[in-house]
Amino acid sequence: DAGVIQSPRHEVTEMGQEVTLRCKPISGHDYLFWYRQTMMRGLELLIYFNNNVPIDDSGMPEDRFSAKMPNASFSTLKIQPSEPRDSAVYFCASSLGTGGWQPQHFGDGTRLSIL
Amino acid sequence: DAKTTQPPSMDCAEGRAANLPCNHSTISGNEYVYWYRQIHSQGPQYIIHGLKNNETNEMASLIITEDRKSSTLILPHATLRDTAVYYCIATSGTYKYIFGTGTRLKVLA
Repeated sequence: DAGVIQSPRHEVTEMGQEVTLRCKPISGHDYLFWYRQTMMRGLELLIYFNNNVPIDDSGMPEDRFSAKMPNASFSTLKIQPSEPRDSAVYFCASSLGTGGWQPQHFGDGTRLSIL
Repeated sequence: DAKTTQPPSMDCAEGRAANLPCNHSTISGNEYVYWYRQIHSQGPQYIIHGLKNNETNEMASLIITEDRKSSTLILPHATLRDTAVYYCIATSGTYKYIFGTGTRLKVLA
C-alpha cells in the first residue's frame, strides 16, 4: 500500500519567495496533519484536518502560513513570504479517524531551506 | 495528555534485546501509550501502542506496568537498522501527539 506521499522532498528558495508543500494522504484516511521539525523545537503539530475541514490551526506560527485541503487526497501547506527561520523539515501525516487505537502515519517530509 | 520521560540515549549490541524505558506517571485511564521511531532523515514510523495489556507485533513488544506509570519497548533482536530516535507518547487519542526529545538508540556491531 502506498504511504503518505509528500513533495518536493527538498526545497531551497530565497527569502521572500512563496513556498508550497504538497501532501497526498493514505487513501481512505479522514484525518490529515501537518508537522514541523527543527533542532530547537523538535516535532510540532501545525494544523490538522478532518474530512477536508481544518479543525485546529493553533500551531500555525503566523499568518504567513496557510494550509488547504481541497479534497480527500490532497493538501497543501503554503508559506508566503518565506523567511530563513522557516527552514525546517515539514511532515504530513494521516490517520483513519481519531481514538486511542488509531496511529498516525507519516510521510518522509519536505526539507525546506530558506536562504 | 500525560508528559513522558525517556533517557536521552542508549547503546545496544547487535543481536541483543534493546529495552527502552518510558515514564508516564501522570497517565490517565483513557490514555494509550504509543511508540514511534525516527530513522535519520525519515518520517516518524509507528511501532506499537497499548492501553493496559502487554502487546506484541512483528516489530516489537510493549510491556506496561500494572499501575500504568511506566512502560518498556523491547526490540528482541536489535540490528544496525534499528538505530534511531525512539519516541514514547501518551495520548487519549486526540490529534495532539506531543513528541518529546526521545531516546537515541545506537545499535553497535
